[in-house]
Amino acid sequence: GAGVSQSPRYKVAKRGQDVALRCDPISGHVSLFWYQQALGQGPEFLTYFQNEAQLDKSGLPSDRFFAERPEGSVSTLKIQRTQQEDSAVYLCASSWRVGQGGEIDTQYFGPGTRLTVL
Amino acid sequence: AQSVTQLGSHVSVSEGALVLLRCNYSSSVPPYLFWYVQYPNQGLQLLLKYTTGATLVKGINGFEAEFKKSETSFHLTKPSAHMSDAAEYFCAVSDPQAGTALIFGKGTTLSVSS
Repeated sequence: GAGVSQSPRYKVAKRGQDVALRCDPISGHVSLFWYQQALGQGPEFLTYFQNEAQLDKSGLPSDRFFAERPEGSVSTLKIQRTQQEDSAVYLCASSWRVGQGGEIDTQYFGPGTRLTVL
Repeated sequence: AQSVTQLGSHVSVSEGALVLLRCNYSSSVPPYLFWYVQYPNQGLQLLLKYTTGATLVKGINGFEAEFKKSETSFHLTKPSAHMSDAAEYFCAVSDPQAGTALIFGKGTTLSVSS
């Protein structure tokens, strides 16, 4: 079946512009994650949804970053007033569920959106 | 707080040689442990994971890893490298009690020469 898809794959923005990055998770996956991967680094957690509920947004670096998943499937990560330090690859991942007390399902990653802020 | 350290940002091996990628973690609770591989312009693909049970975990493409609690390590090995193994490899940890985010190491780039 289809994997996680992300669009656009590449985005160039001028400093100060707003951008919106889209993630289409695997159909039926309850959990959705956003990560930020700077050049030469491992991915860093941004935020997590279970269905439409944003249960953890502790990794969002500033209030310029906003994520939503209004119908519990597609998610959008929005960055307002982009800065050069926002340049990175933004990865989306989905999984069937994240249980309580020890169950964890594999997170399937999309190809990412490479954001370059000039 | 949990953290992951991958020793060696770049590892080079010859085709047919043993692959050893090192990963150490710190965690206040027994963690879940993962290895992901990332090919250029592609997303991360899960190689293997350890949650509970047998400490030697076998994954795809002939890779395996062993959870050693006493050494807080989860090193990735493959007996014989293939050219197609050239990629970036990430070790990750999660807290079973928190159960959400993966915490990744900085990655190790594996080069395979003929």
